[in-house]
Amino acid sequence: DAKTTQPNSMESNEEEPVHLPCNHSTISGTDYIHWYRQLPSQGPEYVIHGLTSNVNNRMASLAIAEDRKSSTLILHRATLRDAAVYYCILSEANAGNMLTFGGGTRLMVKP
Amino acid sequence: KAGVTQTPRYLIKTRGQQVTLSCSPISGHRSVSWYQQTPGQGLQFLFEYFSETQRNKGNFPGRFSGRQFSNSRSEMNVSTLELGDSALYLCASSTRTGNNYGYTFGSGTRLTVV
Repeated sequence: DAKTTQPNSMESNEEEPVHLPCNHSTISGTDYIHWYRQLPSQGPEYVIHGLTSNVNNRMASLAIAEDRKSSTLILHRATLRDAAVYYCILSEANAGNMLTFGGGTRLMVKP
Repeated sequence: KAGVTQTPRYLIKTRGQQVTLSCSPISGHRSVSWYQQTPGQGLQFLFEYFSETQRNKGNFPGRFSGRQFSNSRSEMNVSTLELGDSALYLCASSTRTGNNYGYTFGSGTRLTVV
């Protein structure tokens, strides 16, 4: 299985940008990089996904390294509501909709 | 539009019993996946259904099974419940199957086996 490595936890101040790193050195050419987050007592929530190019949506930006061995999820202005566990996942082409979740990064946002 | 609906929200069962959990995907979504979440193992993939066919299966014993109906609603069944089956069971839906789609999760069914 393609694997990702994330820091266990990170801390941020409210209203400041947050950069959440993810390493995926064994990524293959057809693997998509997905990010989900899970707030307490809720199911995971889709954040963003991409293949090669950087991606932006209303929630966040995804910056993908040129060699695709790492990526960074960028929250432009952290709010208290962004405190959650963030999961970086490689979705393999032959795995249908199967997502292999790792431990994720617990983001704490200080007021 | 309505999100992914899972019923029931909470369930308490006794060891040896069986249980059926239900998932109604977002309207128009044809793929439904199931996950188990426990404090020790985290989120683990159970299986995926698309157009009433199982497309993928995780590494779980045969006591865990599922099905999908023609309206895309899905059920999962766990027979001969064990204490270790206590977990949050999550359902996720997407428009199609494949790795280029974002998935919407429900809030889950919390199963406690006593």
